[in-house]
Amino acid sequence: SYELTQPPSVSVSPGQTARITCSGDSLTRQYAYWYQQKPGQAPVLVIYKDTERPTGIPERFSGSSSGTTVTLTITAVQAEDEADYHCQSADNGETYVLFGGGTKLTVL
Amino acid sequence: QITLKESGPTLVKPTQTLTLTCTFSEFSLNSSGVGVGWIRQPPGKALDWLALIYGDDDKRYRPSLKTRLTIIKDTSKNQVVLTMTNMDPVDTATYYCARLRGATPPYFDSWGLGTLVTVSS
Repeated sequence: SYELTQPPSVSVSPGQTARITCSGDSLTRQYAYWYQQKPGQAPVLVIYKDTERPTGIPERFSGSSSGTTVTLTITAVQAEDEADYHCQSADNGETYVLFGGGTKLTVL
Repeated sequence: QITLKESGPTLVKPTQTLTLTCTFSEFSLNSSGVGVGWIRQPPGKALDWLALIYGDDDKRYRPSLKTRLTIIKDTSKNQVVLTMTNMDPVDTATYYCARLRGATPPYFDSWGLGTLVTVSS
């Protein structure tokens, strides 16, 4: 089990909005980060510090935070957005870095 | 352009020690708040953080693996080395190194391509 909980899968049609959640008690006090990982590739940072978007990441990717849940939102989803998405933070104890279980986004 | 590359054996036997090297370019561990971390991913499974090291030699380990892991840096060579003792088939995974930023908590903004390590007799 993971201390950061993500849904195993999310499915959307092209052009729709995808929302992927990540829940954990530590998220009330720790920033969250999101990574996109396409098959056979290394992860890519798409959101940092809950809501910030790195240079080069499309504006359709956004992040939000509320209480113990953070959300990655992808608006106007494209076929190329099909990937695994991983949230990352830390717990409030000794585990300095913590990943969620990952969510597979399927574009129908 | 920042690059990181993992190198090491692709096959190790159970009980052996794994040594992986991360060679990086276009950034320095002498920069404030910059470090290198190791993350692994068993086939079809989630990312699993292992260890990290900052330029000031501050080191952190995954608590459940702390007794098996050692991370060191060679700033002159732009390398970070991870050793993991007593390897087991469950340690079969793709091992990534990544540049980390910050400390509250840190995050990984550039990743290597990863190297698949299989543990089998």
